[in-house]
Amino acid sequence: DAGVIQSPRHEVTEMGQEVTLRCKPISGHDYLFWYRQTMMRGLELLIYFNNNVPIDDSGMPEDRFSAKMPNASFSTLKIQPSEPRDSAVYFCASSLNPGGNTEAFFGQGTRLTVV
Amino acid sequence: AQRVTQPEKLLSVFKGAPVELKCNYSYSGSPELFWYVQYSRQRLQLLLRHISRESIKGFTADLNKGETSFHLKKPFAQEEDSAMYYCALSDSGGSNYKLTFGKGTLLTVNP
Repeated sequence: DAGVIQSPRHEVTEMGQEVTLRCKPISGHDYLFWYRQTMMRGLELLIYFNNNVPIDDSGMPEDRFSAKMPNASFSTLKIQPSEPRDSAVYFCASSLNPGGNTEAFFGQGTRLTVV
Repeated sequence: AQRVTQPEKLLSVFKGAPVELKCNYSYSGSPELFWYVQYSRQRLQLLLRHISRESIKGFTADLNKGETSFHLKKPFAQEEDSAMYYCALSDSGGSNYKLTFGKGTLLTVNP
């Protein structure tokens, strides 16, 4: 398995445009997480899914942010409209069933720049 | 609510010196604690977890429930240990698995 795959690796967009980030989790993993990483706030959990169902989206900053998981092998994080303060690295991670031995595997992230 | 606090944003030590990265948590349930590391230009990866009571790359961390801490320690730091370190917490007793991270500590080991 190639691990968690995110695309694109880098995205530069103008303020007001729609941005879609994509994630392919590791096959067989039940959980998928979206995180945002910034210098000021560190690694923030935005939303996570269990078996394609959103469980907790309390970390999603605003209604401009939305996430979907139409099937077990694909998830998107959409920002519409984008703003300069959304500039960050967005990580996707996946893991197996919960428990102390569960490890979350991370993608390489998407570096988003909104100008 | 789950919360993880890493009080030091930056930590700089010399090669061979001991290093301790602090992590405190607040959680009313039964927590599982982890340390993740992010080396330059690499993806975030698991370093160690408290349930395994293991030592990885010379690092150890002991869960202290009385002090609600999970500090990461290494007796002799190496230059290759320079990285971003994140402490993380998950709920081991609930039906869902929410993994929450601290803000991270950037460790620099100087030659």
